[in-house]
Amino acid sequence: DGGITQSPKYLFRKEGQNVTLSCEQNLNHDAMYWYRQDPGQGLRLIYYSQIVNDFQKGDIAEGYSVSREKKESFPLTVTSAQKNPTAFYLCASKPTGNSNQPQHFGDGTRLSIL
Amino acid sequence: KNQVEQSPQSLIILEGKNCTLQCNYTVSPFSNLRWYKQDTGRGPVSLTIMTFSENTKSNGRYTATLDADTKQSSLHITASQLSDSASYICVVRGAGLTGGGNKLTFGTGTQLKVEL
Repeated sequence: DGGITQSPKYLFRKEGQNVTLSCEQNLNHDAMYWYRQDPGQGLRLIYYSQIVNDFQKGDIAEGYSVSREKKESFPLTVTSAQKNPTAFYLCASKPTGNSNQPQHFGDGTRLSIL
Repeated sequence: KNQVEQSPQSLIILEGKNCTLQCNYTVSPFSNLRWYKQDTGRGPVSLTIMTFSENTKSNGRYTATLDADTKQSSLHITASQLSDSASYICVVRGAGLTGGGNKLTFGTGTQLKVEL
């Protein structure tokens, strides 16, 4: 089945540690996105990528980094510079060229601080 | 500033009853409006999408309406089931912006609980 796979489902970060969240899709979508979801807030965009080897900062990119070396993969690193990393992280993808196509979401990674 | 506001924040209804969720937005210019359903601990799943020229769209027991003049949308759920318990998120896409990528504004969602 085609879809988006995020791993791990739960992740714990120690003080000063960088952690990487995985996002893989087999939908052949060009565009991929990372969002952060906090209680009582709408999804906020961290980074997005329209094509391999290119990515752009979203609204809350500070303390995060990404790479897009392959079309299928868009990993997110939460660095030690992100002082409030506890949140639910969602990865999404969509084909480019048609704004009416929905973004397809993975089932998220819940990150907590130890 | 582009905003999407949803009401109520939470709602409890009995199984079999109908309910209506509201979404007001200030996004302009407007491209489309989409409703997502998000089960607890899962990613959102698209229910319906409406463009400027559409004022109603159905997907099974879900019916969305759009009034682009007043910038309001509603999601009506008919004959609710326990499996309808979820957060329902209204998402508006703007138009005519530069930079490509994401032009979405997300609402905070309405948490619906359906009880026996």
